Formats: sequence, structure tokens, C-alpha cells
Amino acid sequence: GQNIDQPTEMTATEGAIVQINCTYQTSGFNGLFWYQQHAGEAPTFLSYNVLDGLEEKGRFSSFLSRSKGYSYLLLKELQMKDSASYLCAVREGYDKLIFGTGTRLQVFP
Amino acid sequence: DVKVTQSSRYLVKRTGEKVFLECVQDMDHENMFWYRQDPGLGLRLIYFSYDVKMKEKGDIPEGYSVSREKKERFSLILESASTNQTSMYLCASSLLSPKTSGGPLGTQYFGPGTRLLVL
Repeated sequence: GQNIDQPTEMTATEGAIVQINCTYQTSGFNGLFWYQQHAGEAPTFLSYNVLDGLEEKGRFSSFLSRSKGYSYLLLKELQMKDSASYLCAVREGYDKLIFGTGTRLQVFP
Repeated sequence: DVKVTQSSRYLVKRTGEKVFLECVQDMDHENMFWYRQDPGLGLRLIYFSYDVKMKEKGDIPEGYSVSREKKERFSLILESASTNQTSMYLCASSLLSPKTSGGPLGTQYFGPGTRLLVL
């Protein structure tokens, strides 16, 4: 079956580092996406991993281990505007994305 | 930049009404998708389309149909709206073939969403 697990909620303070984990069990794997979604808005693309290792984009990094079915999103130097939901999604085949339920991150001053 | 637009941000309909949700993308993407998003359940795929007049069922197609007469437009139809279809509806599009893109192949770009309330 298909299963993507993320923590439901996390909290952190401004300036800190937070790691959001995602574990997956899917029938196919063709890459893993992270999206950010602010309340009431559309999800926006953050990062993509298809090979094992770390991808860094400014304050955000994403890691993938295919053998462990595991990814994480690392957010550094947290800002208030990083308060949002973060969605992990596995790409199956060429088209479909299977989404986790998302992790709601609250950043406090 | 990729732009995906949806016809309404908010809709209120009555049980039994036929509801049309429209989605338009301007980047010549082959794939288009309709999701609904509910608290605690995440994004669930209703239908998707990889070409004009083509459609595939997603995970929760019951009570919905779709239409894709033009490449840039993908419509979601609720034949007879019910209260359990109250939700946020999100449209997305993505490239099927390698072309210049803002993200890796398969990246889905989302519209702003339509919040539908069925009374």
C-alpha cells in the first residue's frame, strides 16, 4: 500500500533550526518533493530529491535515503514567515504525486 | 512564472446543485490535476488528465466528473453537490515531457484553491 508519514505539528523559535521528517512506503518511487503551504494559500514547490543525499537551497535543505524510505526538510535561521504547513510528496511514475498529510510548523518570537 | 488560476476563491452552493470549478494554466503543461484538501487528510487526488479529452480517476473520484476540451483548461464537475463535498479544491498542472521549467520534471504548480461550502 501507500503510506507517507509526517508529524502533525511542530513548534520552534525564531532563529532556530528545525527538522521535519517524512517516511514513506509506496509502490513506486520516482523522486520526493517538499512543498510549503501558508494558511489559505496554494502549496508552493520547495525542493526535490531523487538521489540519496542532501540538497541545499539557501536556508532550506532536504535529505533523502531511498533504502530507508526517509526524507527530512531542514529549515535554518527560522523566521516568522516560515510558519506554514510543509507537505512531503512522493512521485510515482511520471505523473502522480502522493502527498502526506503535512506538518504544521509554528515559529514563535 | 507558471500561473494556474481557478475561477472562484469561495463558493456557496446548495445540496443537489450542479457545480462547476474551472482551472486554467498558461504554461502549456500536459498534465492537470484536481485535488481536495481536508484537515487531517491532506491532499487527495480526485482526477487527473495528461492530454486533451483524456482523464484518469484518482483516489476519490466518486461524485465528481471532469472535462478537458482544451489543453489549458481543466474543469471539475460536482453532478449533485452534497454536504460531504464541502472542502478546499486545488487544481495543479505539471509538465510531462522535458522542457524548460522552473522546477524538476513532474513538479506540480498549484492554483490558489476554491473553498466550497455545500449547505
